[in-house]
Amino acid sequence: RKEVEQDPGPFNVPEGATVAFNCTYSNSASQSFFWYRQDCRKEPKLLMSVYSSGNEDGRFTAQLNRASQYISLLIRDSKLSDSATYLCVVTLYNQGGKLIFGQGTELSVKP
Amino acid sequence: NAGVTQTPKFQVLKTGQSMTLQCAQDMNHNSMYWYRQDPGMGLRLIYYSASEGTTDKGEVPNGYNVSRLNKREFSLRLESAAPSQTSVYFCASRSPTSGSISYNEQFFGPGTRLTVL
Repeated sequence: RKEVEQDPGPFNVPEGATVAFNCTYSNSASQSFFWYRQDCRKEPKLLMSVYSSGNEDGRFTAQLNRASQYISLLIRDSKLSDSATYLCVVTLYNQGGKLIFGQGTELSVKP
Repeated sequence: NAGVTQTPKFQVLKTGQSMTLQCAQDMNHNSMYWYRQDPGMGLRLIYYSASEGTTDKGEVPNGYNVSRLNKREFSLRLESAAPSQTSVYFCASRSPTSGSISYNEQFFGPGTRLTVL
């Protein structure tokens, strides 16, 4: 079983739609949680950290459920520029900051 | 600041050839990482260096060696390239732990696209 699992998609949505990505992780010792964004053939970049209480950054909302070992990302009012692959990422306690990546969920926003 | 730079951007090798991928960062980060990315597999950690003078194996170290030359530079060497090492290679460095929101954020270089024939 992969340590971090995501639905690979692709998710094809119209502009203005709301889309949700889910992610599960297998190691209960996972400490920190993130969503990274990766544009086609480019490097990953941090989108947002995920906090236990849930957090929001503009149109983006991230949620964490430690009991279910589940992370989500909600994008409201999708823009064409949101088209990218979204990577769910976790770190383990005391592991030198190593990131463990899911395989990514591809999003395509259409006009 | 250039951030994280990688050379070369593209490379084609024949099976058995060797090469070194170069990575440098100008953000004064202590920790640096090498990943490979394959379709459907996500990014997988090859080696990392928590600080200058130290290196450790990641998830997929076989067939690779690394050198942390100084605080800025972290190179990845393929001694005898194999077709299974065809991949996109990313180098990253990590911001210092300071209790800030940037804890554990990693900054990635633009990647090296390697094909082994």
